[in-house]
Amino acid sequence: GAGVSQSPSNKVTEKGKDVELRCDPISGHTALYWYRQSLGQGLEFLIYFQGNSAPDKSGLPSDRFSAERTGGSVSTLTIQRTQQEDSAVYLCASSPLGAGGLNEQFFGPGTRLTVL
Amino acid sequence: GENVEQHPSTLSVQEGDSAVIKCTYSDSASNYFPWYKQELGKRPQLIIDIRSNVGEKKDQRIAVTLNKTAKHFSLHITETQPEDSAVYFCAAEDGGFKTIFGAGTRLFVKA
Repeated sequence: GAGVSQSPSNKVTEKGKDVELRCDPISGHTALYWYRQSLGQGLEFLIYFQGNSAPDKSGLPSDRFSAERTGGSVSTLTIQRTQQEDSAVYLCASSPLGAGGLNEQFFGPGTRLTVL
Repeated sequence: GENVEQHPSTLSVQEGDSAVIKCTYSDSASNYFPWYKQELGKRPQLIIDIRSNVGEKKDQRIAVTLNKTAKHFSLHITETQPEDSAVYFCAAEDGGFKTIFGAGTRLFVKA
């Protein structure tokens, strides 16, 4: 079946502009995560959604970052007034949260954001 | 909040040797510890995981051990092959499914 998809695959923007990154999770997956990966670095947790619960936003680096998930499916990560330090690959992952609470996360291909 | 430390950051081994990557975590409430492999230019993929009620888990050439008292867990790869070359990430998840990743270990397997 279809995996997690993200769009756009690449985004180049000018400092100060707003950007929207989209994630389409695997159908039926209840949990959705956003991570940021800077060049050669680890995966920095940003936010996650689980069913109808309030999202855990504790990883968002500033109030310029926000995310929403509509209808328990598609999610959009918005970065306002982008800065050069926002340049990174933004990865989305979804999880079925299966029996026993095992949480295998399936990652999308990422969106490479470059802020000039 | 949870903090996960991973070392070494880089590991180079000869083909056929074993590789060990170690992680520590800070939150005693964490109860799920997955390991992901990320090949160059690709997305991370789960290779093995362990729950806090288990001390060791093995899947062919890879194994993970967990010491909950000491709050550390390790990945062991035996009989390494060139295709094992990748970046490996450990992670810890609290009961609320928030997942914190380590900084990664770049493994080079020399043929």
